[in-house]
Order: sequence, then C-alpha cells, then structure tokens
Amino acid sequence: GDSVTQMEGPVTLSEEAFLTINCTYTATGYPSLFWYVQYPGEGLQLLLKATKADDKGSNKGFEATYRKETTSFHLEKGSVQVSDSAVYFCAPQDYGGATNKLIFGTGTLLAVQP
Amino acid sequence: DTGVTQSPTHLIKTRGQQVTLRCSPISGHKSVSWYQQVLGQGPQFIFQYYEKEERGRGNFPDRFSARQFPNYSSELNVNALLLGDSALYLCASSLAGTGSNIQYFGAGTRLSVL
Repeated sequence: GDSVTQMEGPVTLSEEAFLTINCTYTATGYPSLFWYVQYPGEGLQLLLKATKADDKGSNKGFEATYRKETTSFHLEKGSVQVSDSAVYFCAPQDYGGATNKLIFGTGTLLAVQP
Repeated sequence: DTGVTQSPTHLIKTRGQQVTLRCSPISGHKSVSWYQQVLGQGPQFIFQYYEKEERGRGNFPDRFSARQFPNYSSELNVNALLLGDSALYLCASSLAGTGSNIQYFGAGTRLSVL
C-alpha cells in the first residue's frame, strides 16, 4: 500500500534559519500531497497542498513542490520563527479506491530557538 | 464558519469499558473520517463514512465501530477498551468521500484508558 517517509526529528533551528523537511512517498498512482501541522495539544491544520506533478503549494512562507520523478514533496521555508515550532506531517492522499484517506508517517518535530 | 467539532475533549476510562466519541463535520461536508494518533506517532486511518455508508476501514479490530447520521455527524465506538487504545482520536471532514478532497480536522478527543 501507499506509504510516506519523513526525515527524523527533532529538527532544531535558530530563528530566521532556512528550513527543509524531507518527504518521500510510495504510491501506485498519483496521489494528492499535503502538509499538515500540529501544534502542542491540538489537532491537525492544513498547511499546503499540491494535486499534480510540478504543482507548488505555498502558505505562510512555507513551500513544497510535487516531484513525480523523485516521488518527493519536501517542505521549505526561508526564515523560520519561534511560532513555527510544531510537528509537521507529510501526507499523500490515497483516492484511487473507495476512500480518500490520508497516509501519515511519524511526523517531524521542529523546534525553533530565539 | 464553524470547523469540525469533536466531543468530549478528554475522556478517562478503565479497561473493559466502552466509549463513544462524537464528531460534527463542517456544514456542507458529507464525508467523515476517523484517525487514531498514539503519542509520538502519526495518525492512523480507522474509518471513512460518506453519505451514511462505510466506505473504508483501516487495520483495526472489530471492537472499533462507527456510524454516520442523516445530518452527517458521526460517532466512533470502541468496546472492551485496552490500555493500548489510549490515544488522540481525530475526526476529519471533507466534501466528498472520493477524489482529491481536503480533509479538515477537529481538535480531537484524548482518550486515556487506565
């Protein structure tokens, strides 16, 4: 079945540093791809999405490009803030069958220090 | 607009008991999905309902069941609770149960089994 692999955390950065969180996936088709963010004690919030190859999703300074040839969807931000500290989940959406469930990995914890 | 609402927020049960968790989707959304998130892990798919019918089920035992009501709200039931059922239970709603659709998550119900 479909699966996703994210870089292990925690990722610790200083404020204003550049962020990359790697994400690769395996899928039989061409899934839609999502990044969700989870702040402590909360549910998941949609950060950005891309639905086809070479699409770039962006939101709040975060970006990710759907790379079909490398089956990747890496998350980047040019200058992180303390408020970006959270757990980030890459999630392909398996909608080839009867459902459109999301497939999650273990997530990547980001800690930004002032 | 009101987002996805879940109740209760927290719940403490003992082994062997039964629990019912509730979810109200975003107005106009006809699909509800349930996920289990064990501490330190990513969410795992449990069920998806669309138009009051079960569309998919994850790798969970028969102790887990769910249903969707005519107003598209949903309940997740877990019988004969085990310590390992302690987790954050997340509900997500989407416009449809198939195709590429954004899933919007509630804040979750945190279940502790003692």
